[in-house]
Amino acid sequence: KAGVTQTPRYLIKTRGQQVTLSCSPISGHRSVSWYQQTPGQGLQFLFEYFSETQRNKGNFPGRFSGRQFSNSRSEMNVSTLELGDSALYLCASSLDGLNTEAFFGQGTRLTVV
Amino acid sequence: QQQVKQSPQSLIVQKGGIPIINCAYENTAFDYFPWYQQFPGKGPALLIAIRPDVSEKKEGRFTISFNKSAKQFSLHIMDSQPGDSATYFCAARGLAGSARQLTFGSGTQLTVLP
Repeated sequence: KAGVTQTPRYLIKTRGQQVTLSCSPISGHRSVSWYQQTPGQGLQFLFEYFSETQRNKGNFPGRFSGRQFSNSRSEMNVSTLELGDSALYLCASSLDGLNTEAFFGQGTRLTVV
Repeated sequence: QQQVKQSPQSLIVQKGGIPIINCAYENTAFDYFPWYQQFPGKGPALLIAIRPDVSEKKEGRFTISFNKSAKQFSLHIMDSQPGDSATYFCAARGLAGSARQLTFGSGTQLTVLP
């Protein structure tokens, strides 16, 4: 069974640009959550999608957005990139996001220059 | 109230030693407590998890101890090996509202010396 797949693995963007990251969950999993990992702030929750609907949202500015497609694949978008957005972006999939285990992808390393 | 406090920040043990990592939480709505292991350049991997209806869970060399009244839980790694050198994160999750997403501790960098 394939794990959680995130693409691309690495990205370098310039301040002010926007970026889209992709996450394909484990087959059959309907919940996808996104996290930002930085050395200073650790792992912070961005948002969760279930059945194409955002079900939960963390404390991030509106520049961070996401969506989920009917096949449960999810994308997150960051607009007007800032240097502080440099981080490892992780997605986690679970069957229902409520009472089941969450499995992480390898992440997308975003560097903003 | 959403915080999960993890200690120590770093830990060095000799091969065969038993490193112990501790976590404490405040939100009584949390009812699921997983531990993740992360190697450099990789995403966190689920190691072991516990629910508050049991006080201890063992899986191989990894044991979680859970103290519901103190709102604390810990990870013990028996017979630690150099390959266990990684960063370990505790986490907590509830069933409703803002507690439903995983809230992570700050991580513990474990080094097991050969």
